[in-house]
Amino acid sequence: DTAVSQTPKYLVTQMGNDKSIKCEQNLGHDTMYWYKQDSKKFLKIMFSYNNKELIINETVPNRFSPKSPDKAHLNLHINSLELGDSAVYFCASSQEVSRTRGSYNEQFFGPGTRLTVL
Amino acid sequence: DAKTTQPPSMDCAEGRAANLPCNHSTISGNEYVYWYRQIHSQGPQYIIHGLKNNETNEMASLIITEDRKSSTLILPHATLRDTAVYYCIVSLPAFYNQGGKLIFGQGTELSVKP
Repeated sequence: DTAVSQTPKYLVTQMGNDKSIKCEQNLGHDTMYWYKQDSKKFLKIMFSYNNKELIINETVPNRFSPKSPDKAHLNLHINSLELGDSAVYFCASSQEVSRTRGSYNEQFFGPGTRLTVL
Repeated sequence: DAKTTQPPSMDCAEGRAANLPCNHSTISGNEYVYWYRQIHSQGPQYIIHGLKNNETNEMASLIITEDRKSSTLILPHATLRDTAVYYCIVSLPAFYNQGGKLIFGQGTELSVKP
């Protein structure tokens, strides 16, 4: 019944390796996101996809490549991992809701993937 | 950069109301105020949002000042499980905001004590 799921939960790897994190949502949402939370607990958006189309691409090294095979999935592939990539990566999804008082955006977050680069 | 300012930490006694302030003096007319919280080691969780009027749901109440330059999140009867980092965020509606970009600040670390 998990709304937004991520795999793996923990990922420990060596510098220079390539790794992927997977995200799936079963909420029927059309927008998905990747956020990075560093050791100082700052949570920063990296990417956003709407209906499989990239709409937000923050200043992220091109070693990070998101891929959305369908609306329910947004995967994050990271090439040539560096020590500074160590962080918790959160996936989120949302469906813009239009109400009489204006549209709003409630994002549902996954449990996070803790990436440690040695 | 985040457009909000929050105290870094607060304490609250269990069963009492927790009032978390947020300053957003540069908020624009069509930006919403959102509150999210992050319980230790979990993903952030949406709490409530508002534009101009005060709002209430099953989790909390949101009081927005008339000039919209500040707001207060109220947890009416705080429990130990409410211990978390609370983030106040201002954001345009998703349609105008690249699909809903949220910019998180440092938040307020709320500790609910027995």
